Amino acid sequence: QVQLQESGPGLVKPSQTLSLTCTVTGGSISSGGYYWSWIRQYPGKGLEWIGYIHYSGSTYYNPSLKSRVTISVDTSKNQLSLKLTSVTAADTAVYYCARGVGHVDATYNYWGQGTLVTVSS
Amino acid sequence: QSVLTQPPSVSGAPGQRVTISCTGSSSNIGAGYDVHWYQQLPGTAPKLLIYGNSNRPSGVPDRFSGSKSATSASLAISGLQAEDEADYYCQSYDSSLSGSVFGGGTKLTVL
Repeated sequence: QVQLQESGPGLVKPSQTLSLTCTVTGGSISSGGYYWSWIRQYPGKGLEWIGYIHYSGSTYYNPSLKSRVTISVDTSKNQLSLKLTSVTAADTAVYYCARGVGHVDATYNYWGQGTLVTVSS
Repeated sequence: QSVLTQPPSVSGAPGQRVTISCTGSSSNIGAGYDVHWYQQLPGTAPKLLIYGNSNRPSGVPDRFSGSKSATSASLAISGLQAEDEADYYCQSYDSSLSGSVFGGGTKLTVL
């Protein structure tokens, strides 16, 4: 059974960089052709796709975040990471990592439990 | 403002049937891309409920069904149970975004 677990600071100061890691167990992050994804959920409950990385290394980002986001994988540690620069209060959300199946018709069949990141001084 | 539009809330009595709509546009649902549905119980991550418009993953009761037409999709829940009380989200692909888009979510209350 694939499991995903997010980790990282719960509080980030405005203008700094948000960095999160997602550890994948029960399966290799470099096999299967999956799209390893980051999705966030605002306090008001809306979900927003941040982006994903294919095991081949190709990345796809939400255009609204593209200039600030980097998603990468560390296959040796079976981990996925997210870096979001120049954060503001608007980036306060629960951040989920998820495994996507497919690109154009991606479905997310495994999710981490989510980690709340608050941007505040 | 979500790309896909859902009603904020729906409600129904135990045993009844409710439907949740998801309206998109010509760059997502109307372009022929599949619609998927997720159930989010309080304090938990979303769980895939319906994929590819109308398919249920293993373990999802057949009380849940999905359909799609033109620029919209629907999730139907029959034989409502108290445990169905949750938030429900639709999701599709958008060609202008080149990525996934979600609905704003619908809160189902079982009366």
